[in-house]
Amino acid sequence: GIQVEQSPPDLILQEGANSTLRCNFSDSVNNLQWFHQNPWGQLINLFYIPSGTKQNGRLSATTVATERYSLLYISSSQTTDSGVYFCAVAETSGSRLTFGEGTQLTVNP
Amino acid sequence: GAVVSQHPSRVICKSGTSVKIECRSLDFQATTMFWYRQFPKKSLMLMATSNEGSKATYEQGVEKDKFLINHASLTLSTLTVTSAHPEDSSFYICSARLQTSGRAYNEQFFGPGTRLTVL
Repeated sequence: GIQVEQSPPDLILQEGANSTLRCNFSDSVNNLQWFHQNPWGQLINLFYIPSGTKQNGRLSATTVATERYSLLYISSSQTTDSGVYFCAVAETSGSRLTFGEGTQLTVNP
Repeated sequence: GAVVSQHPSRVICKSGTSVKIECRSLDFQATTMFWYRQFPKKSLMLMATSNEGSKATYEQGVEKDKFLINHASLTLSTLTVTSAHPEDSSFYICSARLQTSGRAYNEQFFGPGTRLTVL
């Protein structure tokens, strides 16, 4: 099956800093989603981005499907951005999502 | 829009009992729902794909007689953990694939999860 690798596994920032999270995948995809899992376990949809670039406030994402990677940018980070960020992909042939191991982000005041 | 609910949010049960978890898409129809399991500090692992009106498709290594899935309507899927044991304790999360006007989109929306503790 498809492999998904996220980096870095852990990231500690000071409030106000910018960061880039990376997601590499091993095959063609028809779905790529970025999620933020809050401390209560809820997965919050950040982006549905199988290709191209999107922006939503302080967050933006870019997926280069031909090179099989996606980047999530967080600007002017806030303490409320803390949590685990997951990338998940579905192979072109199906709809099943495969999750990466996540990036644990800690933003300190 | 695209809200998914789960019930209960937390359940504690004795070993040997069965537990049913409900997953509902509140404001959209979903012919396909998914069930995941997450252990502490770990990623989500897909357990099964639930299709409305047909049998679920289980991932390799998941016992279908242990984890019974029913997708009786376009807005409800249930997961029943039968004869639960302490090793079944975990965080169970469902998702639903958005469908509007007869078209299924690829984006999935997730429920808030159910934390199961088996004593």
